[in-house]
Amino acid sequence: DIQMTQSPSSLPASLGDRVTITCRASQDIGNYLRWFQQKPGKSPRLMIYGATNLAAGVPSRFSGSRSGSDYSLTISSLESEDMADYYCLQSKESPNTFGAGTKLELK
Amino acid sequence: EVQLKESGPGLVQPSQTLSLTCTVSGFSLTDYSVHWVRQPPGKGLEWMGVMWSGGSTAYNSALKSRLSISRDTSKSQVFLKMNSLQTEDTAIYYCTRDSLHWGQGVMVTVSS
Repeated sequence: DIQMTQSPSSLPASLGDRVTITCRASQDIGNYLRWFQQKPGKSPRLMIYGATNLAAGVPSRFSGSRSGSDYSLTISSLESEDMADYYCLQSKESPNTFGAGTKLELK
Repeated sequence: EVQLKESGPGLVQPSQTLSLTCTVSGFSLTDYSVHWVRQPPGKGLEWMGVMWSGGSTAYNSALKSRLSISRDTSKSQVFLKMNSLQTEDTAIYYCTRDSLHWGQGVMVTVSS
């Protein structure tokens, strides 16, 4: 199975900060990488698909990138509504696998 | 409008079998796949398995021996069955289409 190593597990940040969360794939997954945001008590929300494509309705301060087997989610200027848990998911092959998650919180 | 809704028992006894239903609307199960994802309290997301639009399935390796996913296309329903439940299976269970559309989730507690 493909392992997704996500870091950091916790990310304290201030409003207006630029923040980056990273997932490393244990095997080639091409651009089959999705990012999700999840707030307490809510279902996950798709933010990025195909590693770099913004899902409908997602603010432009969110972006996704890839460097080899490393995939990143960047928020260019943190807003209060962005405080949430974030997960990556590889959908290159079954079984799909999630990263362990990153808790983004106010410093 | 695309909608998915999970349903099932809130409480299951240890060693028993969990049966969940994902009822969908706004699309056909023969055109789109439906995945199951779960989340134990305070923990991360775990991909469980998928019912592909063509009718085949794939499963999480760690759950494969206990898990079965099926469907009734005429009723627009996808079913999840998992046997030999333990307390570690306590979680919110979600069904999702495309990762874009999600159900609200159903909380399942495994306890005697």
